[in-house]
Amino acid sequence: GENVEQHPSTLSVQEGDSAVIKCTYSDSASNYFPWYKQELGKRPQLIIDIRSNVGEKKDQRIAVTLNKTAKHFSLHITETQPEDSAVYFCAATTSYGKLTFGQGTILTVHP
Amino acid sequence: NAGVTQTPKFQVLKTGQSMTLQCAQDMNHNSMYWYRQDPGMGLRLIYYSASEGTTDKGEVPNGYNVSRLNKREFSLRLESAAPSQTSVYFCATRTGGGNYGYTFGSGTRLTVV
Repeated sequence: GENVEQHPSTLSVQEGDSAVIKCTYSDSASNYFPWYKQELGKRPQLIIDIRSNVGEKKDQRIAVTLNKTAKHFSLHITETQPEDSAVYFCAATTSYGKLTFGQGTILTVHP
Repeated sequence: NAGVTQTPKFQVLKTGQSMTLQCAQDMNHNSMYWYRQDPGMGLRLIYYSASEGTTDKGEVPNGYNVSRLNKREFSLRLESAAPSQTSVYFCATRTGGGNYGYTFGSGTRLTVV
């Protein structure tokens, strides 16, 4: 089955800096890669996703890149704000499969 | 339009007690999932149902059973709760086919003492 590794487990940045979270996956058949943000005590919320036919996708301050050859994908957050502080999860799946999640990254943005 | 509704939100059980976690969705999604979330472990799949009438084991099924009662409802049962089952449980749904992310319920925080 699929295995997703996520790094770093914790990330601390100053407000206005950029943050990068990286994930690797094992199943070359995986073709959909979502990212979730989870605030304390809340449910995970989808923030951005990318499909395998695309190398990069941006949504305002958030971007995701995918390298299919190397089987890794990354989340980039620019101009970080305190409200970006949360746990972020990457995940991978095939079209009809079930999501396998990374272990999560605790992002703290200091004012 | 409630999305995905989980009940209860909190529960404390004694070791050996049983309980059922309920999940209902009004999104007309085919697939439903139960995950548990433990610190540092991410979300791990317990059971899933790709469509009404089918259920399959996930990564950590031991100690759990599920029922896909109809398209809307997918329940998770703990027959004899153990302290190792202390966790936050999330139900999620996904429309069949295509590459779409999950929609999560608000979670059930379960403590087994």
